[in-house]
Amino acid sequence: EPEVTQTPSHQVTQMGQEVILRCVPISNHLYFYWYRQILGQKVEFLVSFYNNEISEKSEIFDDQFSVERPDGSNFTLKIRSTKLEDSAMYFCASKGEQGNQPQHFGDGTRLSIL
Amino acid sequence: AQKITQTQPGMFVQEKEAVTLDCTYDTSDQSYGLFWYKQPSSGEMIFLIYQGSYDEQNATEGRYSLNFQKARKSTNLVISASQLGDSAMYFCAMREGENNFNKFYFGSGTKLNVKP
Repeated sequence: EPEVTQTPSHQVTQMGQEVILRCVPISNHLYFYWYRQILGQKVEFLVSFYNNEISEKSEIFDDQFSVERPDGSNFTLKIRSTKLEDSAMYFCASKGEQGNQPQHFGDGTRLSIL
Repeated sequence: AQKITQTQPGMFVQEKEAVTLDCTYDTSDQSYGLFWYKQPSSGEMIFLIYQGSYDEQNATEGRYSLNFQKARKSTNLVISASQLGDSAMYFCAMREGENNFNKFYFGSGTKLNVKP
């Protein structure tokens, strides 16, 4: 069964450094998302992306964050200048056309900011 | 107000017994979707089951079923014949509206422990 893949599985970065989290969505999906989950807390929406542009973003997704689909397969989340509070699990998700289809999540990237 | 409320932070169930995980939601939209995900200790999010707001039948998927009570705005997950591998966090989520790309709102989750 096709799946969403995320790399790396764990990223350790110094505060203030830029980090890029990578995702390969399911190939025929058109809708892409990033969520984050701070340890022990609920999953929070960051941003949705469709047709090469952002569809919606949350208040968490400030100017430090950006997303890109640089080619036909990858979908990236960039954090420009990381802060300690950016430490979390970041999930990429993708979704097919039909309304009743779930968002399929990758296994996540655990981001640790030192 | 919270969009998704899961009032049980932790639950225990004996192996082979059934367990119900509660979820209530808050929306004024007529069209919405309700989803349950399982998150094992390894961290991945695994889709389990879906219920549409217009579905008249309760959704079932193997050992998973939903007790969907629209008037009460609840969609409780029932796991029958619990297995040790069912021990995990369970998240209820909602997509409001009909737009395909609408975000999910997640609840705070229920940690299920299956005892041998």
